[in-house]
Amino acid sequence: AQKVTQAQTEISVVEKEDVTLDCVYETRDTTYYLFWYKQPPSGELVFLIRRNSFDEQNEISGRYSWNFQKSTSSFNFTITASQVVDSAVYFCALSEDDTGANSKLTFGKGITLSVRP
Amino acid sequence: EPEVTQTPSHQVTQMGQEVILRCVPISNHLYFYWYRQILGQKVEFLVSFYNNEISEKSEIFDDQFSVERPDGSNFTLKIRSTKLEDSAMYFCASSDSLTAIGELFFGEGSRLTVL
Repeated sequence: AQKVTQAQTEISVVEKEDVTLDCVYETRDTTYYLFWYKQPPSGELVFLIRRNSFDEQNEISGRYSWNFQKSTSSFNFTITASQVVDSAVYFCALSEDDTGANSKLTFGKGITLSVRP
Repeated sequence: EPEVTQTPSHQVTQMGQEVILRCVPISNHLYFYWYRQILGQKVEFLVSFYNNEISEKSEIFDDQFSVERPDGSNFTLKIRSTKLEDSAMYFCASSDSLTAIGELFFGEGSRLTVL
C-alpha cells in the first residue's frame, strides 16, 4: 500500500531563512507520481509540482526547489529566502495511477510552516 | 482565473440528517473528486467521477455517500444519514487529467459539523 510520511509537523523560521520540508514515500509500483500542494489560510489546496518516478532531475522554480531521490524514497521541498507569504500548510502526495484517469492522491499529514517577519 | 467553488462554506447538522455539499468545477474539466480532511489529520480521497459515473472510491465512501452531476455544472456529494465522525472539511476538486495527471484544482472546502 502507498504511504506518504511528513515527519515534521510544524516549522517556524524567520523571513529570508531557507527551509526544507521533508517527504518520504512508500510504494510498490515502479510508475508513480509525487506532488507538493500548498494550503494557505484561505483553505484551498494549491498544486505546486508533479514529478514522475522516471524523472529524478531536481527542479527549481524561483525560490522553490525540489529534490527527488529514489534511493531514499524522498521528495524534499526547499524554499529559499522564505517570505511571510510562504506561511501555509504544505502537503506531499503520491499517486500510483499512471493512466491519468484517476488522480487518486495519497497525502501526507502536512507541515505547517510559519515565516516570521 | 477559473476556480472551483463550493457551497456551503460551513454547515452544521444534527446526527442522522442528510447533507448535500455542492461544487462547481472548472468548466472544461472532465474529472471530478471529493476529498476530506478531518481536523488536524491528513487529506483523504473519497471518490473520483468521470463520464457521469464513479471511477474509483475509497473505503470511507460507503453506502451513506453518493455523488451526482445533476447538470452540466454542479457536482454534489450527499451524505444520507450523517454521523459524528463525518465532521470534516470536504474538498471538491477537478482536473483535466488528459494533460495534467494529479494536477487537481481544489475548492476552498465545505466544513461540515455534525452534532
